[in-house]
Amino acid sequence: DIVMTQSPLSLPVTPGEPASISCRSSQSLLHSNGYNYLDWYLQKPGHSPQLLIYLASNRASGVPDRFSGSGSGTYFTLKISRVEAEDVGVYYCMQALETSLTFGQGTRLEIK
Amino acid sequence: QVTLRESGPALVKPTQTLRLTCAFSGFSLSTFGMCVSWIRQSPGKALEWLARIDWDDDKYYSTSLKTRLTISKDTSKNQVVLTMTKMDPEDTATYYCARMDGEIYDYWGQGTLVTVSS
Repeated sequence: DIVMTQSPLSLPVTPGEPASISCRSSQSLLHSNGYNYLDWYLQKPGHSPQLLIYLASNRASGVPDRFSGSGSGTYFTLKISRVEAEDVGVYYCMQALETSLTFGQGTRLEIK
Repeated sequence: QVTLRESGPALVKPTQTLRLTCAFSGFSLSTFGMCVSWIRQSPGKALEWLARIDWDDDKYYSTSLKTRLTISKDTSKNQVVLTMTKMDPEDTATYYCARMDGEIYDYWGQGTLVTVSS
């Protein structure tokens, strides 16, 4: 299985400040079709994961434009341009290149 | 509007078989490219993929759990069923079903908590 590694695991952020989460994969997630099969999810307390970013850099429907994804191959980044209180929760990266999905350990974002 | 809802027993005893149902609406699992996966999350831990069934009835299983899992679908009822045999306290988790449309896992159910205890 592809191993996904996130950092940091804990991220205290002041509202209005930017935030960044990294995700590394043990194998390249770049498919021959040119897409990187890396998604980002946010799991708010008491809820199921919700899709933020798919195929590394595409915002899901309804996701605010302060969220952006970048990267290719084995290194990816999720950025929040200005953190808001509603962004609290655990962020996961997930590889979908292989049928056997694997997830990062999660990054807990908290408000300072 | 796409929705998925998991259901099943909240408590099972060790060695028993777990049967979970994912009832969905807003899409058909007979449509090309549609798939449904089961994913679980142990308390306070990260996410673990379990199994997937595709529109053409292809089935895929976690390597570590494949001897214990069976996934099936009833297209007419818009349901996907997962059975897991030989339940153990380490299988205590919230179990989610999620839809894959083409390349994207875009909708997840709210999850159902299963506790394994005697």
